[in-house]
Amino acid sequence: GDSVTQMEGPVTLSEEAFLTINCTYTATGYPSLFWYVQYPGEGLQLLLKATKADDKGSNKGFEATYRKETTSFHLEKGSVQVSDSAVYFCALSGRSGGSNYKLTFGKGTLLTVNP
Amino acid sequence: NAGVMQNPRHLVRRRGQEARLRCSPMKGHSHVYWYRQLPEEGLKFMVYLQKENIIDESGMPKERFSAEFPKEGPSILRIQQVVRGDSAAYFCASSPRVAGGQETQYFGPGTRLLVL
Repeated sequence: GDSVTQMEGPVTLSEEAFLTINCTYTATGYPSLFWYVQYPGEGLQLLLKATKADDKGSNKGFEATYRKETTSFHLEKGSVQVSDSAVYFCALSGRSGGSNYKLTFGKGTLLTVNP
Repeated sequence: NAGVMQNPRHLVRRRGQEARLRCSPMKGHSHVYWYRQLPEEGLKFMVYLQKENIIDESGMPKERFSAEFPKEGPSILRIQQVVRGDSAAYFCASSPRVAGGQETQYFGPGTRLLVL
C-alpha cells in the first residue's frame, strides 16, 4: 500500500538557518503530494502541494519539488523564523482505485526555531 | 468563514464508557473525513462520509466504532466500550467536493481522547 517516510525529529534550528525536512514515498501510479503544518493547539493546515512530477509547490517561503525519479518531496526554507516552529507532515493522495481522497501521512517532524 | 470545528477538544473516558466526537465542517462543505493519530504515528484515514451516506469506512475498526453525518447537524464519530488503545487524537477534515489531488481537505483542531 501507499506509505510516506519523513525525517525523524525533533529538529532544532536557530533563526535564519536553512531548513530541510526529507520526505520519500511509496505509491502506485502518480500520487499528489502535500505538506501540512500544525501549529500548537491548532488543526493541520495545507502548506503546499504538487500534483505531478517536477511540479514545485511553494508558500510562505517554503518550497518542495515533486521528484518522481527519487520518489521524494523534500521541504525546504532558506531562512526560518521563530514563528515557523510547528509540526510538519508530508502526505500523499493516491490516484489508483478511485480512492484518491485518502491522505496517507508521515509521522510528522517537530521543528523548533530558537531566536 | 469559520473553519472546521471539533468538540470536545479533550475527552477523558474510563474503560467501557462511550466516546462521542463531533465535527462541524466548514460552511458549504458536504464531505467529511475522519483520521486517527496514535502516539508516535502519522494520521491514518478512518472514514469518508457525505450527508446521510458512508462512502468509505475501510479504515475504521470493525467493532465498537461508528460514524454518521446526518442531514442536519455535525458529523459524529462514536466509540463504544472504549479501551486504552483508543487513546489518540481524532481529526476531522472537510471539503466542498470529493477531495483528491485538486481538492484540499481542511482540518479541524482535533479531539484528544484519553482512556483511563
